[in-house]
Amino acid sequence: DSGVTQTPKHLITATGQRVTLRCSPRSGDLSVYWYQQSLDQGLQFLIQYYNGEERAKGNILERFSAQQFPDLHSELNLSSLELGDSALYFCASSALRTSGGNEQFFGPGTRLTVL
Amino acid sequence: DQQVKQNSPSLSVQEGRISILNCDYTNSMFDYFLWYKKYPAEGPTFLISISSIKDKNEDGRFTVFLNKSAKHLSLHIVPSQPGDSAVYFCAARNFNKFYFGSGTKLNVKP
Repeated sequence: DSGVTQTPKHLITATGQRVTLRCSPRSGDLSVYWYQQSLDQGLQFLIQYYNGEERAKGNILERFSAQQFPDLHSELNLSSLELGDSALYFCASSALRTSGGNEQFFGPGTRLTVL
Repeated sequence: DQQVKQNSPSLSVQEGRISILNCDYTNSMFDYFLWYKKYPAEGPTFLISISSIKDKNEDGRFTVFLNKSAKHLSLHIVPSQPGDSAVYFCAARNFNKFYFGSGTKLNVKP
């Protein structure tokens, strides 16, 4: 158990809909990273927040947005969903503002299926 | 753009033998490389890393080799154990952004 929790575990929705994925980092970790893993693909870095502020941005679509709240949990909002958004979404947390990667602890992921 | 590639989707090895997982990258600005291990229904867990200024890093049964001129990274597991069966991802860092390969599924046969 990494200490990072993600809810829900599974989500099935329809095209055009909007969903929110939630991540609670390990106790004390200030950084949250979001990744997307599509079928047979590697993890795509989406975005990082540190202590409530956006820190780094990857290949995140404009239809997607994220935020980190004062209690440090984070939400990833996906809107106008398309079939291609079906993927596993991982959240990772780290105590550091700049991560070497070895300090990132991953949650179990949320599997999103868009029908 | 796939800046980090793992060209072997799977690898099967006998218990006790060496497992060699390979990774190629294109961006010479990567300053840090990592390997993660992933079991089904779990998130990736960090395994071993190497700075771009090094060419080898060892941790127990795991050794990572970096060949910067070839832009090639490899993970050696010796000896391989059945519990090593998992998907292995290589990753590279550039300005706090991480780029992952598509993974290699390792099967260690008893």
